[in-house]
Amino acid sequence: AQSVTQPDIHITVSEGASLELRCNYSYGATPYLFWYVQSPGQGLQLLLKYFSGDTLVQGIKGFEAEFKRSQSSFNLRKPSVHWSDAAEYFCAVGPANTDKLIFGTGTRLQVFP
Amino acid sequence: ETGVTQSPTHLIKTRGQQVTLRCSSQSGHNTVSWYQQALGQGPQFIFQYYREEENGRGNFPPRFSGLQFPNYSSELNVNALELDDSALYLCASSSDVAGGHTDTQYFGPGTRLTVL
Repeated sequence: AQSVTQPDIHITVSEGASLELRCNYSYGATPYLFWYVQSPGQGLQLLLKYFSGDTLVQGIKGFEAEFKRSQSSFNLRKPSVHWSDAAEYFCAVGPANTDKLIFGTGTRLQVFP
Repeated sequence: ETGVTQSPTHLIKTRGQQVTLRCSSQSGHNTVSWYQQALGQGPQFIFQYYREEENGRGNFPPRFSGLQFPNYSSELNVNALELDDSALYLCASSSDVAGGHTDTQYFGPGTRLTVL
């Protein structure tokens, strides 16, 4: 079955600390992988995406993610978190030729000053 | 370039009623996907419309139906509302690119539906 698992429901970090949000997927074909961020009461904003090529992808707001096929993972990282990064983060996977995405249940990030 | 817009922002209905949610796709986009996001959950794919035709459907009953217009805007209709239909409904638009796959989809702010 196709699925996305985000093991951490809630993560709290101090401002300036590094961040890693985990994402594991189960998918039968070559996956297209995405990270979205959702602020309270808002829609989803794309942070970054991976289709092929370099397995380390750079996104907006200083985020990056690394695709590891052997581990079926696509973890999101940021070297130094800002208070404005507090939000809900969703990992998603989709087929190669369309965009019917399967989302994880999300990780809520809280940032302390 | 305008982004994806949705209306209304909030809506309150009672069980058994019908509701229509609207989405205007981003300029130049011909594909619209609808997602349901229950509280505390990730979005779940409802269906997708491509050039006015349904192009895939998730695990939702037939009382969830949709429509896409020639200008690529879209409607989501839900009949016989149930309490569990309370959720944030997100619309996303994208465009097809060479090779048959779609480019990144951009999400609207959503419509918050409450069923009492």
